[in-house]
Amino acid sequence: QKEVEQNSGPLSVPEGAIASLNCTYSDRVSQSFFWYRQYSGKSPELIMSIYSNGDKEDGRFTAQLNKASQYVSLLIRDSQPSDSATYLCAVNRLTGGGNKLTFGTGTQLKVEL
Amino acid sequence: DGGITQSPKYLFRKEGQNVTLSCEQNLNHDAMYWYRQDPGQGLRLIYYSQIVNDFQKGDIAEGYSVSREKKESFPLTVTSAQKNPTAFYLCASSTALNNYGYTFGSGTRLTVV
Repeated sequence: QKEVEQNSGPLSVPEGAIASLNCTYSDRVSQSFFWYRQYSGKSPELIMSIYSNGDKEDGRFTAQLNKASQYVSLLIRDSQPSDSATYLCAVNRLTGGGNKLTFGTGTQLKVEL
Repeated sequence: DGGITQSPKYLFRKEGQNVTLSCEQNLNHDAMYWYRQDPGQGLRLIYYSQIVNDFQKGDIAEGYSVSREKKESFPLTVTSAQKNPTAFYLCASSTALNNYGYTFGSGTRLTVV
């Protein structure tokens, strides 16, 4: 089992729709979770962080965390063509070498006109 | 403005040649990381450092070397022992506890010619 799993996609949604991106993780003691957006040929940029069970909203983005089920999701409302990118889920784990993020392989999102 | 700077943006390496990728941050972050990303793939950890003069191997350290002589700097050397070095290299930094996720540099694209 991978430590952080995401569907690779592509996930295609029409403009204006809600895009739902999902991520599961294997380490129950993980405490903090992050979503990064990566445009083709560019570096990842942090768009959301979540630490507690429940929802966290920031503009058109909502992150949802359920530690009992070990999943974290990202909802993008009113999807725009500019949201087309790969979304990386990252989970913070404490290892022998300190705190490190483990990344999923990413979900490619395509927002169609 | 605080940030993390990678140079060069593009780098071409001849067979059998060592090359060094630069990574500098002025965020006063304790931890720094090097990742490799191949087309359509996720991020793979090469090396990381939690403190000056100390670093640990990641998942794919063979053929790479690093140093951490200053808090601000974490250069990566791609040696001739790395047989398939063509990839996108990303440097990142974070606080010691990684409470806020990683900040990434803009990346270096390395090509073997």
